[in-house]
Amino acid sequence: DIQMTQSPSSLSASVGDRVTITCRANQSISMYLNWYQQKPGKAPILLIYAASRLQNGVPSRFSGSGSGADFTLTISSLRPEDFATYYCQQSYNTRTFGQGTKVEIK
Amino acid sequence: QVQLQESGPGLVKPSGTLSLTCAVSGGSISSRNWWSWVRQPPGKGLEWIGEIYHSGGTNYNPTLKSRVTISVDKSKNQFSLNLRSVTAADTAVYYCARVALYSGSSPYFHYYMDVWGKGTTVTVSS
Repeated sequence: DIQMTQSPSSLSASVGDRVTITCRANQSISMYLNWYQQKPGKAPILLIYAASRLQNGVPSRFSGSGSGADFTLTISSLRPEDFATYYCQQSYNTRTFGQGTKVEIK
Repeated sequence: QVQLQESGPGLVKPSGTLSLTCAVSGGSISSRNWWSWVRQPPGKGLEWIGEIYHSGGTNYNPTLKSRVTISVDKSKNQFSLNLRSVTAADTAVYYCARVALYSGSSPYFHYYMDVWGKGTTVTVSS
């Protein structure tokens, strides 16, 4: 089974900060990696698919990079509405989510 | 614009079967998409349960495969989840989602969940 590990599990940041979240697979998954944002009590929202492709309607401050086993989600300048939990998910072999990274207000 | 709506009992007894339905509106379940179930236990992360294509093809989470059946009803434009022999560990918010496909330059399709239902809470308790 493919396991996905995100780091950090949580972070505190301020509005305007550049934030980077890392996702690592326990084997190569090429670029079969997606990122989602989830706010409390709400369904997840797709941000990035195929490691680096921005979903329609998602602000350009969100970007994804990586291939193989190591991936990053970057928020270039954190806005108040970005405080949420972020999940990576692999689609190389069935589907597996990372454990999530909670972005909190400093 | 495609919308998804989960429905089903909010309370299931231990050892019973959890049954949920996801109604698809604004689009056809026979489109070039897969259809998925994801759950989230209270205070925890997301867990993929499985997915189905309108032709009936399925993929399941290996850890749940022995207890799960996902089916599709094209006449009603909906798909369903059955989870057998439930325990308290199956208490969660259950989401249905549309799975889109992207090929790009890859030899295989990228699968990603681009439309989600609002979720429904299921509690397993006597």
